[in-house]
This record gives sequence, structure tokens and C-alpha cells, in this order.
Amino acid sequence: GENVEQHPSTLSVQEGDSAVIKCTYSDSASNYFPWYKQELGKRPQLIIDIRSNVGEKKDQRIAVTLNKTAKHFSLHITETQPEDSAVYFCATRLISNFGNEKLTFGTGTRLTIIP
Amino acid sequence: EPEVTQTPSHQVTQMGQEVILRCVPISNHLYFYWYRQILGQKVEFLVSFYNNEISEKSEIFDDQFSVERPDGSNFTLKIRSTKLEDSAMYFCASRPTSGVYNEQFFGPGTRLTVL
Repeated sequence: GENVEQHPSTLSVQEGDSAVIKCTYSDSASNYFPWYKQELGKRPQLIIDIRSNVGEKKDQRIAVTLNKTAKHFSLHITETQPEDSAVYFCATRLISNFGNEKLTFGTGTRLTIIP
Repeated sequence: EPEVTQTPSHQVTQMGQEVILRCVPISNHLYFYWYRQILGQKVEFLVSFYNNEISEKSEIFDDQFSVERPDGSNFTLKIRSTKLEDSAMYFCASRPTSGVYNEQFFGPGTRLTVL
């Protein structure tokens, strides 16, 4: 089955600096790559996603890049703010034989923004 | 904006007892999921459900687990005889239509504590 690895597990950056989180995956059939932000005790919330036919996508301070050949994708947060502090999960979507799909999550990165 | 809801927010039970976790997916959604997250770990897929039957289940979803959509609005996860290792946050998610890139929306979770 799909295996998603995520690095680093913890990341501290000064407010205003950039943060980069990287994920690799094993199954070349994966075609959708979302990123979720999870604040303490809250539900995972989608912050950005990218499809397999796109190499890069940007939404304000957040961007995601995808390298399908190397099977890795990255989240970039620029001009970080204290409210960016949370756990970030990458995920991949694998289309199953049943025609439905599940999300396979990475292990998470705890991002701390230092004021 | 419509949201997935879950009840209860926290469930405490004794080992060996049955628990039912309840979810109300977003009303026009057709695909339903259960995920779990052991404290401090990644989110793990349990089961997906479509057209009143299980589409896919993980190895975690053994005979102690079952899901049901008893009416047009609720989606439940039952654990027949809880074990200590079932202690986790359980997230329900739903997704609209069969569109390839549609987002899964997560509920706020039910924290299950097995004593």
C-alpha cells in the first residue's frame, strides 16, 4: 500500500521567515495531494491541494510544489505568522479498486512560529 | 457553511464495552469515511462507505468494528468490545459526488478513552 513520509517532524521558525515541509510517497498512482492544518484538539482542515497534472500551486502565503517523477511534494509558507503554528499533515489520495478513495496521511510536522 | 458534526465530543468507556460514535455528514455528500488518530500520531484511514455499503476498509477495521447509515442523515461507527488500544480521536469525513478531486470534509472528532 501507499506509504507517505514527512519531514521534519518539528520545525521552529522566526516570525516572518519561511517554512518548508517535505513529503515523499511510494505509489505512483496517487493523483491528488492535499495539505491539512490541525490546531490543537481541532479537526484537520484543508489548506491547499495540488493535482498530479500540476507542478506548483500558490494561494497567498502558501504554496505547494509537486515532483511526480521523484514522488515528492512540498509545502512552503512565506512570511510566517504566529497563527501558522499548528501541526501540518501532507496526504495522498489513492484510487482503490472499489472506485472510492482514501487519504493516506504523513506523520505530521509540528510548526512553531517564534514571535 | 455546512459542516460535518460528530457526537459525543468525548466518550469514556470501560474495556470490553460497546461504543457507538455518531456523525452527521454534510447533507448532499455521498461518500463517507472514518479515520482515527492516536494521540500524537498521524491520521489513519479506517473505512469508506458509499451507496449503503463499505467501499474499502483498512487492516485496523477488524470484526470489532462496524459502520451503518441508519437513516438519511446519520453515519455511525460501532466498536463492539473496546480495547485499551482503541483509545484515539475518531474523525468522520464526507465528500460530495464522484468528482475526482473533491475535498473530504472532516468533523470535529470524538475523543474515545478506554479505561
